[in-house]
Amino acid sequence: SQTIHQWPATLVQPVGSPLSLECTVEGTSNPNLYWYRQAAGRGLQLLFYSVGIGQISSEVPQNLSASRPQDRQFILSSKKLLLSDSGFYLCAWSPLAGDYNEQFFGPGTRLTVL
Amino acid sequence: GQNIDQPTEMTATEGAIVQINCTYQTSGFNGLFWYQQHAGEAPTFLSYNVLDGLEEKGRFSSFLSRSKGYSYLLLKELQMKDSASYLCAVMDSNYQLIWGAGTKLIIKP
Repeated sequence: SQTIHQWPATLVQPVGSPLSLECTVEGTSNPNLYWYRQAAGRGLQLLFYSVGIGQISSEVPQNLSASRPQDRQFILSSKKLLLSDSGFYLCAWSPLAGDYNEQFFGPGTRLTVL
Repeated sequence: GQNIDQPTEMTATEGAIVQINCTYQTSGFNGLFWYQQHAGEAPTFLSYNVLDGLEEKGRFSSFLSRSKGYSYLLLKELQMKDSASYLCAVMDSNYQLIWGAGTKLIIKP
């Protein structure tokens, strides 16, 4: 069966510090991978998605970046965090060619920027 | 632009039935999803509709009308554990999910 891991679960960082969140998927190959951010009481905002190694599409211009160094690894980074970067970060995967491309979510990382 | 609308919050009684509505305007349509999200947790998949009509899965059912850009999630025999946010999401012509802000459902004994 497939599982998706995210770490850390919670993170408190000062403004201007760097960020690195990691997501890995097990039990599947060539998944589509996604990074979302959810502000408190809000819906999911798609940040990045990837259909393959080194292939990253950015949905929202901001100070975040993503990389996919391996097939089942997706990393979200920032060089300098802003207060507005606080939120719940979710990684998700979907089959490359599924019946309806259902997305499966990792447990999330709650980031607080102070 | 693309838009998904659903009520912000609803309250229902344990054992009752509740219907959560979702209306959408998107660039293309490749299916509508409902997810459940408990506070502080990741969303989990509930249902998928791509054709008009009702899909039933245990206590949960989901309905779709593509001509009206409308869906609802029906929860029967409500239990306290059903207290959660319910997210409506539409897959657009680029196969990207457009998400609603979610409906927070509060179940009272």
